[in-house]
Amino acid sequence: KQEVTQIPAALSVPEGENLVLNCSFTDSAIYNLQWFRQDPGKGLTSLLLIQSSQREQTSGRLNASLDKSSGRSTLYIAASQPGDSATYLCAVMRIKAAGNKLTFGGGTRVLVKP
Amino acid sequence: DGGITQSPKYLFRKEGQNVTLSCEQNLNHDAMYWYRQDPGQGLRLIYYSQIVNDFQKGDIAEGYSVSREKKESFPLTVTSAQKNPTAFYLCASSLQGPNYGYTFGSGTRLTVV
Repeated sequence: KQEVTQIPAALSVPEGENLVLNCSFTDSAIYNLQWFRQDPGKGLTSLLLIQSSQREQTSGRLNASLDKSSGRSTLYIAASQPGDSATYLCAVMRIKAAGNKLTFGGGTRVLVKP
Repeated sequence: DGGITQSPKYLFRKEGQNVTLSCEQNLNHDAMYWYRQDPGQGLRLIYYSQIVNDFQKGDIAEGYSVSREKKESFPLTVTSAQKNPTAFYLCASSLQGPNYGYTFGSGTRLTVV
């Protein structure tokens, strides 16, 4: 069974500081890993999708790395802004999972202080 | 603009009542999913469908039912058998296969009154 963990559960940083969010998973047999952002009371917005054959993906100030062998992914957000305040979730698609379903971590709630 | 539309945004259910949550997508995605989100528990899969007229139970299907009569639509019914239905419900879709990510709707918050 796949378990996905995100530590810490909450994080507070001053504006301008770089954010480092961690995601770990127990089963390394995955197709891909996806990072999402969720604002309070809203749906999930996809940030980055990393295929199992890739080591990292970048989009603007966001960079996500994947180390499949150690079961870890890290999301870096450079030069954080108050608008980055949200909950960030990672999710993995296991090779053995029927229906290509995702298994989610519990999320990291981020507060960027002005 | 392509996307997923969930309605209503807020829904109130009386005890013993069945309610249906709507999910429509115009992304031409084959697969659709329903997740439930509770504080402190993350997202849990209720049902999923990979093709029209076929759907499968997820991890917490008891008390829920779905249909997939059209590719664009995947409604979720919360029946009176669901003992704790108050939650935030999220619908998602994706292209078929493991190389594609999910797109989510904006969610429906269901409250039992």
